[in-house]
Amino acid sequence: GNSVTQMEGPVTLSEEAFLTINCTYTATGYPSLFWYVQYPGEGLQLLLKATKADDKGSNKGFEATYRKETTSFHLEKGSVQVSDSAVYFCALSDSNYQLIWGAGTKLIIKP
Amino acid sequence: SQTIHQWPATLVQPVGSPLSLECTVEGTSNPNLYWYRQAAGRGLQLLFYSVGIGQISSEVPQNLSASRPQDRQFILSSKKLLLSDSGFYLCAWSGAPNQPQHFGDGTRLSIL
Repeated sequence: GNSVTQMEGPVTLSEEAFLTINCTYTATGYPSLFWYVQYPGEGLQLLLKATKADDKGSNKGFEATYRKETTSFHLEKGSVQVSDSAVYFCALSDSNYQLIWGAGTKLIIKP
Repeated sequence: SQTIHQWPATLVQPVGSPLSLECTVEGTSNPNLYWYRQAAGRGLQLLFYSVGIGQISSEVPQNLSASRPQDRQFILSSKKLLLSDSGFYLCAWSGAPNQPQHFGDGTRLSIL
């Protein structure tokens, strides 16, 4: 079946560091891929998405490229801020109106 | 634009009491609706989803139930809460396959 694997956290970085959160997937067909962010005590917000191979999603300085050859959708940001501290979820769509979720990666940015 | 409302934001209930959480969506018709639970520091667990009025699919057998009495209303219920029902409950909607889900602000449920 379809699945999503994210790197385990927490990931702790200093402000202005480069961020990569790894996400790999297994899926049949051509799913869409998503990154969501959850700030403490809040619901999930869609951060970015990609709907086909080689698409790059971007938002708020974050980027992720849909790599079919490596079945990956890694999240990157060139210079993180304290306000980026949150939990990040990778997800893929299946054909049944559901999303398959990664376990989430907690990101802690220290000033 | 579409919006999703979920209430209450926080709820403290005794063991054995009933539960009713409500979610409504505005600005779209015939959305797919979802209830998730998130235990502290954990990932998302899909509880129920609905593709139409009166159509409910359950992903995890438990003492919770869901209903969709109107197109844009989704209700999560329990007749008798257990300690293990504590958690953060999230409602979400989506418009079509391969489209993202959009989440409400969540309800934090504590069982005493």
